[in-house]
Amino acid sequence: QKEVEQNSGPLSVPEGAIASLNCTYSDRGSQSFFWYRQYSGKSPELIMFIYSNGDKEDGRFTAQLNKASQYVSLLIRDSQPSDSATYLCAVILDNYGQNFVFGPGTRLSVLP
Amino acid sequence: EAQVTQNPRYLITVTGKKLTVTCSQNMNHEYMSWYRQDPGLGLRQIYYSMNVEVTDKGDVPEGYKVSRKEKRNFPLILESPSPNQTSLYFCASSFWGRLNQETQYFGPGTRLLVL
Repeated sequence: QKEVEQNSGPLSVPEGAIASLNCTYSDRGSQSFFWYRQYSGKSPELIMFIYSNGDKEDGRFTAQLNKASQYVSLLIRDSQPSDSATYLCAVILDNYGQNFVFGPGTRLSVLP
Repeated sequence: EAQVTQNPRYLITVTGKKLTVTCSQNMNHEYMSWYRQDPGLGLRQIYYSMNVEVTDKGDVPEGYKVSRKEKRNFPLILESPSPNQTSLYFCASSFWGRLNQETQYFGPGTRLLVL
């Protein structure tokens, strides 16, 4: 059974700080990894995609992947109150596959 | 405007009364999926489709059916709804773009209550 785990939170950080969100996955064959942001009452939106070990940066967001440790993280630099949302980690087993497995999400609260 | 649409957005029904939730995308995406979202359980994939007439089970397919007769449409059918299917449902479409990156777009969601 494929599993993706995240701390449910809430994770509270002050405005301007770095928010660190973590995700572990059970299936060592997982190939692609995603971070989605979901505001309350809204649909998820993709913010980061990573498939190679190491770091991937996009603006204030950095995704970090360590396949040996089966661990993927999301760092949000200079956190803003508008970053307050639930962050969902997702994996798929095969490249070009479509069997997504999502974690339960971590609720982030950025305090002004 | 590129989008995924779902109808209805809200639905209250009774146990055993067949219903269909429609999903349509205007981005010519190959791939489409249905998810349900429940508190504490996150998003769980029900079914997905790799192309027209090609569908496969996700992690929680029991009690659901899908069809993909056209590329743009991917309806979700509940033949005999039960209260444990009360949930928030999302349809999504996706494509693999350059640099081997997948991008998945979600619809606005359908909130279903089965009495």
